[in-house]
Amino acid sequence: QSALTQPASVSGSPGQSITISCTGTTSDVGGYKYVSWYQQHPGKAPKLMIYEVSNRPSGVSNRFSGSKSANTASLTISGLQAEDEADYYCSSYTSSTTWVFGGGTKLTVL
Amino acid sequence: QVQLVESGGGAVQPGRSLRLSCAASGFTFSTYGMHWVRQAPGKGLEWVAGIWYDGRNTHYADSVRGRFTISRDNSKNTLYLEMNTLRAEDTAVYYCSREDDVWVTAGNLGVWGQGTTVTVSS
Repeated sequence: QSALTQPASVSGSPGQSITISCTGTTSDVGGYKYVSWYQQHPGKAPKLMIYEVSNRPSGVSNRFSGSKSANTASLTISGLQAEDEADYYCSSYTSSTTWVFGGGTKLTVL
Repeated sequence: QVQLVESGGGAVQPGRSLRLSCAASGFTFSTYGMHWVRQAPGKGLEWVAGIWYDGRNTHYADSVRGRFTISRDNSKNTLYLEMNTLRAEDTAVYYCSREDDVWVTAGNLGVWGQGTTVTVSS
C-alpha cells in the first residue's frame, strides 16, 4: 500500500490555472474509476472536491476539474483564488480492497 | 444538519488500547458506508479502515490490520474504532468520514468529523 505520488508543492498567481498530478499503478489509479480529491485548510477537516475521477459534489465550484490518463490522475484548478490556497490530496481504491492517499500537495497562491 | 462527532481520543502508553466513537446525526446512518482516516502531526492523510453500510464487510490498511477493529451500531447511529497494541506511530488526529452516496463503499468521503487526537507515548 504505497502512497500515491503527488508533487510536494505547486504555485500560481490569481486567475491562473494549475494542475496537480497523482501517480499510482495499475493496481490503484490506473485500474479503477474510484479516484477522489480532497482540499484541506490548516487545522480543518478535509473536503471532497472531486470523486470518481471527474465528478464534482454539489456545492463545489466548477473551477475544479479532474481527469485521468493511464496511472496518473490530475486535478486542475482554473481561475485561481486566494481561498484555494490549501493542501490537496488524491485518493484511490486499490486491488487489495483498500484505499490509499497521495502524500499531499501544498498549493500556494502567489 | 449532517454531522459526525468523534470522541474517545487521548494520551495512552504504547501497548495499551483505546476505543474511538463517532456519533452520526442528520442522515440515515444505516444506509452509508463509513471510514476512519488519520493524520499524524504535520503529515498527510492515511486511510485506516472502512465498513459497509450494514457492517457485513470491513477493510483495513496493512499498518493497522490485526490491531484495529472497525465496527458500527446502526441502532445507535455510531461508528467505532477499537485500537489495540498501540504504537508511537499511531499518534494522529483520527477522522470519521462518510461515503458521499448511499449503499456504496467507494471511498468518496463526502462528510467528515472534526477529528479526535490520539497520542501514544510513554
